[in-house]
Amino acid sequence: ETGVTQSPTHLIKTRGQQVTLRCSSQSGHNTVSWYQQALGQGPQFIFQYYREEENGRGNFPPRFSGLQFPNYSSELNVNALELDDSALYLCASTLPGLSLNEQFFGPGTRLTVL
Amino acid sequence: KNEVEQSPQNLTAQEGEFITINCSYSVGISALHWLQQHPGGGIVSLFMLSSGKKKHGRLIATINIQEKHSSLHITASHPRDSAVYICAVKKGDTDKLIFGTGTRLQVFP
Repeated sequence: ETGVTQSPTHLIKTRGQQVTLRCSSQSGHNTVSWYQQALGQGPQFIFQYYREEENGRGNFPPRFSGLQFPNYSSELNVNALELDDSALYLCASTLPGLSLNEQFFGPGTRLTVL
Repeated sequence: KNEVEQSPQNLTAQEGEFITINCSYSVGISALHWLQQHPGGGIVSLFMLSSGKKKHGRLIATINIQEKHSSLHITASHPRDSAVYICAVKKGDTDKLIFGTGTRLQVFP
């Protein structure tokens, strides 16, 4: 039990639609990272938020955007969905104050785009 | 070439066998994680290390910073160890993780 939850667990959308995925971190975890994991692949870094500001971004287009809220929850928004966006989306939060910040992963949201 | 490479990609073992999974990386890192992912997706952090060796129960993780190589060992393997084991490295001072593609382990009774 990592204390990080994600919703929904599964989601089916059609091409062109928009989707919002949610992540709730443990209290005090002020850094959250989002990852996309395609089937059979390792996760790929999408972006990271620290104190409600984007703090780093991977190779993902602007239609992938995020928000982080003061209550340690966050959202990943994807506009104009494409078939290749079908993947498991993972969020991971970090407890600050440690020299090697361990990341706590949520269970993921599996998105299918038809 | 991926910045993080794991071997083997797939591994099958009989219950009780000693298992080794390898990870090599080509970038400067501040830490390396070994993660376990069960079917359904949830990822659990097994180890985070920056030098030497760590042990937790039947699991042992080692890292050689000079050789840019880490190994995860499982002693007395059990069917419940069946999962995908993923190596991930933390570049520099960021919290961004770069993941390997994982090693799928199946342990048969």
